[in-house]
Amino acid sequence: AQKITQTQPGMFVQEKEAVTLDCTYDTSDQSYGLFWYKQPSSGEMIFLIYQGSYDEQNATEGRYSLNFQKARKSANLVISASQLGDSAMYFCAMRRGNSNTGKLIFGQGTTLQVKP
Amino acid sequence: GAVVSQHPSRVICKSGTSVKIECRSLDFQATTMFWYRQFPKQSLMLMATSNEGSKATYEQGVEKDKFLINHASLTLSTLTVTSAHPEDSSFYICSARTGLDNEQFFGPGTRLTVL
Repeated sequence: AQKITQTQPGMFVQEKEAVTLDCTYDTSDQSYGLFWYKQPSSGEMIFLIYQGSYDEQNATEGRYSLNFQKARKSANLVISASQLGDSAMYFCAMRRGNSNTGKLIFGQGTTLQVKP
Repeated sequence: GAVVSQHPSRVICKSGTSVKIECRSLDFQATTMFWYRQFPKQSLMLMATSNEGSKATYEQGVEKDKFLINHASLTLSTLTVTSAHPEDSSFYICSARTGLDNEQFFGPGTRLTVL
């Protein structure tokens, strides 16, 4: 069965520093996709970054990068130069192998607080 | 970018009434929409997958007769919580999928409170 695990319920980071949010996953599929979303207190889900299982390079989007280690089944999110506006809940998600369904399963989430 | 709207953003209702939540893709056609439920400080739990013109596929443990889903067009899906009870109070979020595999866009969510 597919499963996403985020082991850090809460994280603190100093403004302007980098932070890594952990995500491990479990799947027997060869083809899958990994996502990170940000959910501020307003509740909206904001797409941050995507990594396909066959992508050889780690995905990057501005200050966000995904440290994809396929053999270890981990897809950690790295946020560089943290800003106060980065304070939010962050979810790691996996699209199940059958891309026709597009279903996402989510981890438990990590609450990030950026300190000034 | 693709925009998904939800209406209403907040709703308070009495126990026993039904509540309809709309999810619209504003600038694209969504062949598939998803409905999620989220309790405070918890993860999103997929309730059902909605395909235009066909019956929704519900996840295990989700009552079909309780949570009625209709996907009448490529831009609109509705979730109706029938005979709502206080335990149905939650944050309901929809998402819509475009034709590309890695694109799924979320609505802003609807906070339902049942008194």
